[in-house]
Amino acid sequence: DVKVTQSSRYLVKRTGEKVFLECVQDMDHENMFWYRQDPGLGLRLIYFSYDVKMKEKGDIPEGYSVSREKKERFSLILESASTNQTSMYLCATHAGVSGNTIYFGEGSWLTVV
Amino acid sequence: RKEVEQDPGPFNVPEGATVAFNCTYSNSASQSFFWYRQDCRKEPKLLMSVYSSGNEDGRFTAQLNRASQYISLLIRDSKLSDSATYLCVVKRGAAGNKLTFGGGTRVLVKP
Repeated sequence: DVKVTQSSRYLVKRTGEKVFLECVQDMDHENMFWYRQDPGLGLRLIYFSYDVKMKEKGDIPEGYSVSREKKERFSLILESASTNQTSMYLCATHAGVSGNTIYFGEGSWLTVV
Repeated sequence: RKEVEQDPGPFNVPEGATVAFNCTYSNSASQSFFWYRQDCRKEPKLLMSVYSSGNEDGRFTAQLNRASQYISLLIRDSKLSDSATYLCVVKRGAAGNKLTFGGGTRVLVKP
């Protein structure tokens, strides 16, 4: 089975703090994604990466950056956390053209106070 | 108008009953369609893909209506364990980044 691991499940951070959310996948997939999920808004794509050191903005990249130094690891960075970034963050991976299934990590619940 | 829309529910369903709900999409270039299931405070997991001819997986039936631009999910003989939020997912290209998620339909199956 594909495993997508998000290292931090529950975090509470202060406004202005730098926040790192780590994600690791074990299936050698090229594509990795970061979404946030908010009630009534569904999942919204923040950033995605289709290869090491490659990244593309999603629909809501403002206030976020990402890092993909190794194929299996995709990190989401909040440079200066704000209260409107309180959300659940989901990392996902996808096999690309050859696959349809998206595999999600268990989610990281971030509260910014 | 949102690109993918779902009735948020909740749909309150007696155990053993049938429930059905739709998901509408606005982009006619959409190519592939999926239903994901998400339990409370858990990650979404693939329930089933939706094929043009319609498809069935046990008690679950998915249909695609391209002319009216919607997909549907029907659950027969509902079980308590079917209580979840069902997310509609629409894919516009071969690459996985062209995915759009609906807001989800919440289903509550009650004894």
